[in-house]
Amino acid sequence: EIVLTQSPGTLSLSPGERATLSCRASQSVTSSYLAWYQQKPGQAPRLLISGASNRATGIPDRFSGSGSGTDFTLTISRLEPEDFAMYYCQQYGRSPITFGQGTRLEIK
Amino acid sequence: QVQLVESGGGVVQPGRSLRLSCAASGFTFPSFAMHWVRQAPGKGLEWVTFISYDGSDESYADSVKGRFTISRDNSKNTLYLQMNSLRPEDTAVYYCARVIGGYYDSSGFLYWGQGTLVTVSS
Repeated sequence: EIVLTQSPGTLSLSPGERATLSCRASQSVTSSYLAWYQQKPGQAPRLLISGASNRATGIPDRFSGSGSGTDFTLTISRLEPEDFAMYYCQQYGRSPITFGQGTRLEIK
Repeated sequence: QVQLVESGGGVVQPGRSLRLSCAASGFTFPSFAMHWVRQAPGKGLEWVTFISYDGSDESYADSVKGRFTISRDNSKNTLYLQMNSLRPEDTAVYYCARVIGGYYDSSGFLYWGQGTLVTVSS
């Protein structure tokens, strides 16, 4: 099983700042089959990035994904108030599909 | 528009069974693989199971293997999760989810239902 470790656990920033979230895999992720999700309380997750760097439909361009192999990054270039939420990475290249434990992005 | 609506959750005693349903609309259901993902209260996301577009392939998380069974009825546009021998640690919101593309597409989960809460408690 591929274990995904996200860091930091909590990130405290202000609107307008840049956010950098990390996801490290215990083994290489097949074909960069790595996704990022945003989740707000009481809501289902929302797909942000698929294939490590491809924004999903309707996702603002302030969200970007990068990385390959075992190290992946989600960057939010300029935080908006609605961006403060939980973020999860997921690998879907090898069964079982696994998620990281999440990064909480909170308002400083 | 794509809609996934889960139902069937509730409170059940340990050792009992429950069947969840996910009614799909707004897309060609028989063309898409489907997944179940769960989230225990206050915890992260856990993938549970997958079924191919035609039902010929399935896979399960170790935590549910041998107890849970995924199935689909393409004539009714409905996905199911049969949960047997339930344990307190199965308590979670259960989401059905669809990938971006059809058939053998491997991608992130673009569409999610609103979730249904399963509570396993005596």
